[in-house]
Amino acid sequence: AQSVAQPEDQVNVAEGNPLTVKCTYSVSGNPYLFWYVQYPNRGLQFLLKYITGDNLVKGSYGFEAEFNKSQTSFHLKKPSALVSDSALYFCAVRDLDSNYQLIWGAGTKLIIKP
Amino acid sequence: DGGITQSPKYLFRKEGQNVTLSCEQNLNHDAMYWYRQDPGQGLRLIYYSQIVNDFQKGDIAEGYSVSREKKESFPLTVTSAQKNPTAFYLCASGEGSSGTDTQYFGPGTRLTVL
Repeated sequence: AQSVAQPEDQVNVAEGNPLTVKCTYSVSGNPYLFWYVQYPNRGLQFLLKYITGDNLVKGSYGFEAEFNKSQTSFHLKKPSALVSDSALYFCAVRDLDSNYQLIWGAGTKLIIKP
Repeated sequence: DGGITQSPKYLFRKEGQNVTLSCEQNLNHDAMYWYRQDPGQGLRLIYYSQIVNDFQKGDIAEGYSVSREKKESFPLTVTSAQKNPTAFYLCASGEGSSGTDTQYFGPGTRLTVL
């Protein structure tokens, strides 16, 4: 079965420190992977996606994600966290066996402390 | 959120009432989606449509109905058969079912049953 897991409900990082939000996936074929961010009472905003090619994907707001096929992971990273990065982050994987519908992780709450 | 509008932002429903949530997009996207978001859970797909006058059930379609009479509009009706409708509802659109396309989200409608 296709699935995606975000093992941490919450991540706390001090401002200026690097941050990582973890995501692992399970698909039968080639994965198409996405990261979205959600601010309180707002819709989701697209950050970045991996389709093919370079394993390091750069996205919006200075975020990047590294695709690791052997570890079936797609962790979101940023070199220096800002307080404004505090939000809910979702990882999603495309299910190629279900008419390309997205499968979503449960979300990770990122808290950046000044 | 740009290009996709949802209304109203907040909606209150009495038990036994049907309510309709509006979703409009001006991105000329073929595909549109409705998701439900509950605290601590990932997004769950209610219905999706890949072309006008056609739509498919998602994972939790019971108690909901949709229509797709126009490319830019995909309203969702929450019927009295939905036993626990209090949630945050998100509409999204995408270019199609190519597998690599990105979904873009509206700002959401928060539905509360009184």
